[in-house]
Amino acid sequence: DTEVTQTPKHLVMGMTNKKSLKCEQHMGHRAMYWYKQKAKKPPELMFVYSYEKLSINESVPSRFSPECPNSSLLNLHLHALQPEDSALYLCASSYSGLSPTDTQYFGPGTRLTVL
Amino acid sequence: QKEVEQDPGPLSVPEGAIVSLNCTYSNSAFQYFMWYRQYSRKGPELLMYTYSSGNKEDGRFTAQVDKSSKYISLFIRDSQPSDSATYLCAMSANAGGTSYGKLTFGQGTILTVHP
Repeated sequence: DTEVTQTPKHLVMGMTNKKSLKCEQHMGHRAMYWYKQKAKKPPELMFVYSYEKLSINESVPSRFSPECPNSSLLNLHLHALQPEDSALYLCASSYSGLSPTDTQYFGPGTRLTVL
Repeated sequence: QKEVEQDPGPLSVPEGAIVSLNCTYSNSAFQYFMWYRQYSRKGPELLMYTYSSGNKEDGRFTAQVDKSSKYISLFIRDSQPSDSATYLCAMSANAGGTSYGKLTFGQGTILTVHP
């Protein structure tokens, strides 16, 4: 099973709302990733967790707060977002995040609209 | 100059055609090369990966890497309407440690195969 699941599929939120995106994998992977993808653009890396520790933060604004409760789950907490944060948010996982041969498997994404 | 350059297309071909998709890169540290396929409103799906110069074949797909020219290609033989998608090249560097988590994507090429 090479499935990464993400919930919700769609999310509409106001600029004062607090919401969370969820990601889950049951492949035994120890690395999980958050990406942001705007229309007709490639995914942009936001965060990487390896063995439940944050290993990469690509200078993402603090209104995005990642959390990795265990090796199978990854959350992205959202607060006080701006309309320009509207995008497809992708989660991915890989074996360890510590090897150049790691393959990243992506979920279907959450389409976020900020009003 | 972007680290990875990919012609965004769009590329439109008739069913059965051979498709050639290409990326060039400037960073000599890139050692690992991947091709992802992304259908509209879905997450990227890994098609092929390769770590050495030369060709790698998988069914109708052939990935080619020329490290001396910093050039990679994906060939699709006997293209089908179901191949219509955005194709993203991605690369990672042999930088060690947590940097393995970082993929650098090309802009993506939009491909349409018409019956």
